[in-house]
Amino acid sequence: SQQGEEDPQALSIQEGENATMNCSYKTSINNLQWYRQNSGRGLVHLILIRSNEREKHSGRLRVTLDTSKKSSSLLITASRAADTASYFCAPYNTDKLIFGTGTRLQVFP
Amino acid sequence: GAVVSQHPSWVICKSGTSVKIECRSLDFQATTMFWYRQFPKQSLMLMATSNEGSKATYEQGVEKDKFLINHASLTLSTLTVTSAHPEDSSFYICSARSGRIPNEQYFGPGTRLTVT
Repeated sequence: SQQGEEDPQALSIQEGENATMNCSYKTSINNLQWYRQNSGRGLVHLILIRSNEREKHSGRLRVTLDTSKKSSSLLITASRAADTASYFCAPYNTDKLIFGTGTRLQVFP
Repeated sequence: GAVVSQHPSWVICKSGTSVKIECRSLDFQATTMFWYRQFPKQSLMLMATSNEGSKATYEQGVEKDKFLINHASLTLSTLTVTSAHPEDSSFYICSARSGRIPNEQYFGPGTRLTVT
């Protein structure tokens, strides 16, 4: 299985702080995607990083990818209470997305 | 663009009955659709992959006779939970992939099923 595994499982921080989540996976990939899910809601696509990219930015999000270590990280800078959610990485090969275990982030005002 | 809808948003049914959940791609043609299930505080687990006009491919451990999937058109896939039991209560999420942009999947808002 190429399921991603994230750590930490849960993270609590204060508003304004940065939050870093890590993802490891097992097989080769075409790309790796990060999603956010608010409690009991659908998924929001955050960012896609291709296998030939090492870093990608989108607003307050920074994603890195190290294919040699089969790992990725998601950094949320200057976090806000509205960033409170579960975050999932999803390694992608040619046919389907398999989701990681997720990190539950709580940002306190 | 790339909107996926699900209907219903939530459903409560009695044990032993069947429930059908619809997944529609509203502004693109979805050659492939995926069905996921998510239990509280857990990740999404892929149940099956369906390609338009062909039988669904189920992941290991998913009963195909219990979770019937039909992908009869390029914009509609349905998941029917047959003879539902309380342990089938879960959040069901579909996603759709366009043949034009194969690396990206678009997710529906999910359907919460509660079986009493």
